Amino acid sequence: GAGVSQTPSNKVTEKGKYVELRCDPISGHTALYWYRQSLGQGPEFLIYFQGTGAADDSGLPNDRFFAVRPEGSVSTLKIQRTERGDSAVYLCASSPSGLPSYNEQFFGPGTRLTVL
Amino acid sequence: AQSVAQPEDQVNVAEGNPLTVKCTYSVSGNPYLFWYVQYPNRGLQFLLKYITGDNLVKGSYGFEAEFNKSQTSFHLKKPSALVSDSALYFCAVRGPGEGYQKVTFGTGTKLQVIP
Repeated sequence: GAGVSQTPSNKVTEKGKYVELRCDPISGHTALYWYRQSLGQGPEFLIYFQGTGAADDSGLPNDRFFAVRPEGSVSTLKIQRTERGDSAVYLCASSPSGLPSYNEQFFGPGTRLTVL
Repeated sequence: AQSVAQPEDQVNVAEGNPLTVKCTYSVSGNPYLFWYVQYPNRGLQFLLKYITGDNLVKGSYGFEAEFNKSQTSFHLKKPSALVSDSALYFCAVRGPGEGYQKVTFGTGTKLQVIP
């Protein structure tokens, strides 16, 4: 079956611009996670959705970052006034449910964001 | 705060030899522990997890891991390495201090299996 998909696969933008990154989770998965992975690092938690609501957004680095999941399926990560330090691979993952919380996650291939 | 340490950036092992990739964690309370693998140009894939019960857990592709509470470790092992096992391996933890919702990953260990 179809896995988690993310678009675009690559995004190059200029400092100060606005970007949107999209994640299509596996059908029926209610839990959705966003991570940021910098070179040589492990994935860094950003936000977790259970259904339409953000259950935990404690990993968002500042108010330039925002994510939505209006219908409980597709999610969009939005970054305003991009900075060069935002350059990273942004990963999305889904799981059948956030509870029980020992469910493993299914990851997408990521979006590589480069801010010039 | 919960944390994970993978002390080795890279592990080299000859094909056919046993391999170990190390992971230690820090959480308050009982952890949920995971191993994921990342192949080049592909997303992370789940290998195995420890929730409770038997300290030795078995996962995909012949991998296993041993939970050691006293040493706060969850090392990944395989009896006989294959060249195709060469990849980047990540250990991850969920703990009660973060409501078991937030997943913290280690920095990853590159496994190189030499033919």
